[in-house]
Amino acid sequence: GENVEQHPSTLSVQEGDSAVIKCTYSDSASNYFPWYKQELGKRPQLIIDIRSNVGEKKDQRIAVTLNKTAKHFSLHITETQPEDSAVYFCAAILAGNQFYFGTGTSLTVIP
Amino acid sequence: DAGITQSPRHKVTETGTPVTLRCHQTENHRYMYWYRQDPGHGLRLIHYSYGVKDTDKGEVSDGYSVSRSKTEDFLLTLESATSSQTSVYFCATQGSYGYTFGSGTRLTVV
Repeated sequence: GENVEQHPSTLSVQEGDSAVIKCTYSDSASNYFPWYKQELGKRPQLIIDIRSNVGEKKDQRIAVTLNKTAKHFSLHITETQPEDSAVYFCAAILAGNQFYFGTGTSLTVIP
Repeated sequence: DAGITQSPRHKVTETGTPVTLRCHQTENHRYMYWYRQDPGHGLRLIHYSYGVKDTDKGEVSDGYSVSRSKTEDFLLTLESATSSQTSVYFCATQGSYGYTFGSGTRLTVV
C-alpha cells in the first residue's frame, strides 16, 4: 500500500501570513493528490487537488505543488484569514480507488 | 451535501453489544468507504465496497463487518463493540471529484 506522512501536525500563523503544509508519499505509482479541509465538528471537504502530470495548481489563495521525483507535495495558503483555521488532510491515491490520508495538520490563524 | 447521509449522528452503546451504522447515497456512485477518525491517526480505512455485494478490507478492519445489498446503502457493523471503537465514523463515496464525505457518526462505547 501507500504511506503518507504529513507535517507539521500543528501550525499557528498570524493573519495575513502564509501557511505551508507538506506531505510525502512512498509509492511512486500514486497519481492523484487531493487536500481536504475539516472544520471543527464537520466533515472533510475537498479544497484542491493535483494529478501526477501537473506540477502546480492554484485556486485563489490556495495552491498545491507536486514534486514527483522527491515524492512530496505541499499545500500553500497565502494571506491567511481566521476562517482558514481548520484541520487539513493530504491524501494520495494509487491507480485504484483507495485514498491514503496523512494524519492531519491543525492550522490556527491568529487575528 | 444532501447526496450522502449517515445515521445515526450520535450513539452511545455498551461494551459487547452489536452496533450498525448506516450510510445512504443518492449519487449512484459505485465506490463507498467507511473510515474512522481518531486524534493523531487521521482517517483510517475500515472497509470499502466497489459494487453491490462486493466489499474488501481496509487497514483497520478487525472487529468490523460491512454489507452492501443495494447501490445506495453501505452498512458498517461492530460485531461486539469495545471501548477502542469509540471514534467518529465517516462514510464516503467516490465520484468525479474525489471523495465526498458524510457528516459522520460519533460513537461512544461505554
